[in-house]
Amino acid sequence: QVQLVESGGGVVQPGRSLRLSCAASGFTFGSYVMHWVRQAPGKGLEWVTFISYDGSDKYYADSVKGRFTISRDNSKNTVYLQMNSLRVEDTAVYYCAKDLQASYNSGMDVWGQGTTVTVSS
Amino acid sequence: SYEVTQPPSVSVSPGQTASITCSGDKLGDKDVCWYQQKPGQSPRLVIYKDKRRPSGIPERFSASKSGNTATVTISGTQAMDEADYYCQAWDRSTVTFGGGTKLTVL
Repeated sequence: QVQLVESGGGVVQPGRSLRLSCAASGFTFGSYVMHWVRQAPGKGLEWVTFISYDGSDKYYADSVKGRFTISRDNSKNTVYLQMNSLRVEDTAVYYCAKDLQASYNSGMDVWGQGTTVTVSS
Repeated sequence: SYEVTQPPSVSVSPGQTASITCSGDKLGDKDVCWYQQKPGQSPRLVIYKDKRRPSGIPERFSASKSGNTATVTISGTQAMDEADYYCQAWDRSTVTFGGGTKLTVL
């Protein structure tokens, strides 16, 4: 079945780095945009970044630009989120999500279960 | 940065119709999606491209857009529809979510 499984979350000190992974299965991974979306405790959804089907286009929210990097390995059906210079306000559940389209946003139709990132000293 | 605005909460009686709005500048020019999120669960896409329902979404979910306001409507609301609902739009390479609306089925 169509599935996304995130991993790599944990507790990290401010200023440190963390890399999240999202393994996809059940669909042609290399044909779709992939997103990372986060949700701080008790808060709403916040889009973080997306990468086009072939990795040629990447877009970021202003809140993470210059600190986070999205990448994908279509041979491994996996998308990554490298998070550097982490801040307390980056604490959230991080979801990866598949888009309906290959190169722009049309709707996120498959979501993972999320991985929790806690930034704390 | 682009912003879309939703009411924080909407209440509805079982069997009645619930409507949740989403407004934003030039929203009429953008594709709008809607997501449902129940406590402890990941979001679920219920509407895309303004008014299309993904497979598996009940027909009681519909949506429309007029001018700068998009609306998702739930007809014959059931207790299972109680959830947070988020609108989402795409603008200039940025994805924007609304703040979310808590739908309470009283």
